[in-house]
This record gives sequence, structure tokens and C-alpha cells, in this order.
Amino acid sequence: SQQGEEDPQALSIQEGENATMNCSYKTSINNLQWYRQNSGRGLVHLILIRSNEREKHSGRLRVTLDTSKKSSSLLITASRAADTASYFCATVPYSGAGSYQLTFGKGTKLSVIP
Amino acid sequence: DAGITQSPRHKVTETGTPVTLRCHQTENHRYMYWYRQDPGHGLRLIHYSYGVKDTDKGEVSDGYSVSRSKTEDFLLTLESATSSQTSVYFCAISVTSGDYNEQFFGPGTRLTVL
Repeated sequence: SQQGEEDPQALSIQEGENATMNCSYKTSINNLQWYRQNSGRGLVHLILIRSNEREKHSGRLRVTLDTSKKSSSLLITASRAADTASYFCATVPYSGAGSYQLTFGKGTKLSVIP
Repeated sequence: DAGITQSPRHKVTETGTPVTLRCHQTENHRYMYWYRQDPGHGLRLIHYSYGVKDTDKGEVSDGYSVSRSKTEDFLLTLESATSSQTSVYFCAISVTSGDYNEQFFGPGTRLTVL
């Protein structure tokens, strides 16, 4: 069964605006990761946040994690047309170090209008 | 795509025929995965491998088998393809960074079962 559920399913914004996507999950995690998928391509890893971290930044990306609410958000600031893609959260279960399985959500489809 | 290739990239086949998809990596990673991606379901794990001849089932393994006779190749076989197996199939490898791992994906194989 799906562990992560992204919200919204689809998001359309103007270039230059910020885009926020949310992910909720059900069980305790070791870490949570965000991936991007351009149309017709494989997924690309964006950022990883550990269960003991609350916020992480990478360029225009900001990820937050609230383990008490079992939720995470991905913020893309100053969006560009090239950010148009589907974004997926993926969780690694809290089964000790070295867990190698990811469980993906269904994704948020982001459209950035030039 | 982190040295991951998939073949074929596109395939159309008929119900009841056997199909084998190949994933090849050039970097000697231990963990390899097969996912399927369907609209409304995100990515779902079919099978994974943690070494030569070491494989295990994922969430949606029914109707699929895998083999890994050498580190660089991970084969996914549909013994008797059905229309419900029409999907895009992605192979991935796991790369460890410190205590955590992220996955790198191949370009995908679009399979249509008529």
C-alpha cells in the first residue's frame, strides 16, 4: 500500500511564484526523500531529510518534516518553467540503519506557466 | 541516469506471451529494483535484489519473476503477459551516502499488452 500521499494532486502556478507540495505518511520513518520526474523520464533524487531533522534547504528547494503529524512539505521558490514536472515523496521505514526500500506516493503534478 | 540502461525502451506484445525486460548498470551497485508506474498509483515496487542470486518480492510481485545472475544485470520476466501489466517499468539502483541511501532510476520501458 502507498505510504506517502501527496497533496495537491495537481498544481498550476505562474513563473516566479512559489510552489508548495505536501506529503503525508502513515508509519514511522527513518528518512523521507523527494524526487522529480520530467515527462517520459525516470525519477531524479532531489533532497533527503532525516527523521531527526525539521528543515533542510538545497538551492531553491526547502523541505520540512513534522514527524508528530507524519507530514512533509516541499517548497520550490521563484519557480521556473523548467520546474514543470511531477514530484514524489518517498519514505524509508524506521527499521534501523541500512534500510534500502523506498515507498513512493502518487505524486503532485506541477505546471509552471511562463 | 547514473549508468543505468533499460531494454527494450518500448514493447508491444500480446496477451499470453512471455516478456523479459533488462536492466543494466555499470557501477557495481549491490541493490537493484523494479517498479511499475501507473496513473493514479505512483510507483510500486515489484521485486528487488540485494546481490547476485538474492532477490525478494515487493508490493506487486504477482505475475512477475526476476533473476540476477551477475551484478550488472537484473531481469524482469512476465511469464504470461496480461493487459493489466500494461505499464511503464522503471529499474533503479541504490547508492549509499553515509547511513542513508538514495535511488537512481533508469529511463523506463513502456510496455503495452494487447
